[in-house]
Amino acid sequence: AQSVTQLGSHVSVSEGALVLLRCNYSSSVPPYLFWYVQYPNQGLQLLLKYTSAATLVKGINGFEAEFKKSETSFHLTKPSAHMSDAAEYFCAVSDGTGANNLFFGTGTRLTVIP
Amino acid sequence: DTGVSQDPRHKITKRGQNVTFRCDPISEHNRLYWYRQTLGQGPEFLTYFQNEAQLEKSRLLSDRFSAERPKGSFSTLEIQRTEQGDSAMYLCASSLKQGVDGYTFGSGTRLTVV
Repeated sequence: AQSVTQLGSHVSVSEGALVLLRCNYSSSVPPYLFWYVQYPNQGLQLLLKYTSAATLVKGINGFEAEFKKSETSFHLTKPSAHMSDAAEYFCAVSDGTGANNLFFGTGTRLTVIP
Repeated sequence: DTGVSQDPRHKITKRGQNVTFRCDPISEHNRLYWYRQTLGQGPEFLTYFQNEAQLEKSRLLSDRFSAERPKGSFSTLEIQRTEQGDSAMYLCASSLKQGVDGYTFGSGTRLTVV
């Protein structure tokens, strides 16, 4: 079975500061991992994905994430927060073998302080 | 392509009424998924289609819920005899190949049962 745990339901950072959103996964097989962003009353937009290629994955809007198998982690980072980054962020896992759905974490709400 | 479209965006209904939502996926995507998202939670898988075949249903999908994708293009999700606990955002997503490319989500239909 697959699952993800997102540590910290709310994270606040100052504009220009480092963003770090944590995600730990559990999977009985090599996972595929995803980060999605959701703005209020919107659907989810894919930020980046890990699909067993490079462990450091770069996504849109300056975000990146590093897959660390030894730590079962896939934390999302951005060097300098922008006001427009304020949103809800979801980590998700699939087993990558053609399984039929993604398992999402409970989300982390990012607030950016001017 | 305009992405995944969902209609309506918002629906308010009285308890006990039936409601139907529509999803139009990206035209070349053969997989279509329905998720439910309640306040403060991540999306939860409901069901998915490959072309017109419904291949998996979550135990969250009670007998009051039914989904169809008759021609392998658009899909409908019907909820019969709505209950207050059905209030949620219903998200549709489509993909070419699950686990590799991730999903493209629609903006969702927010259902409020009063």
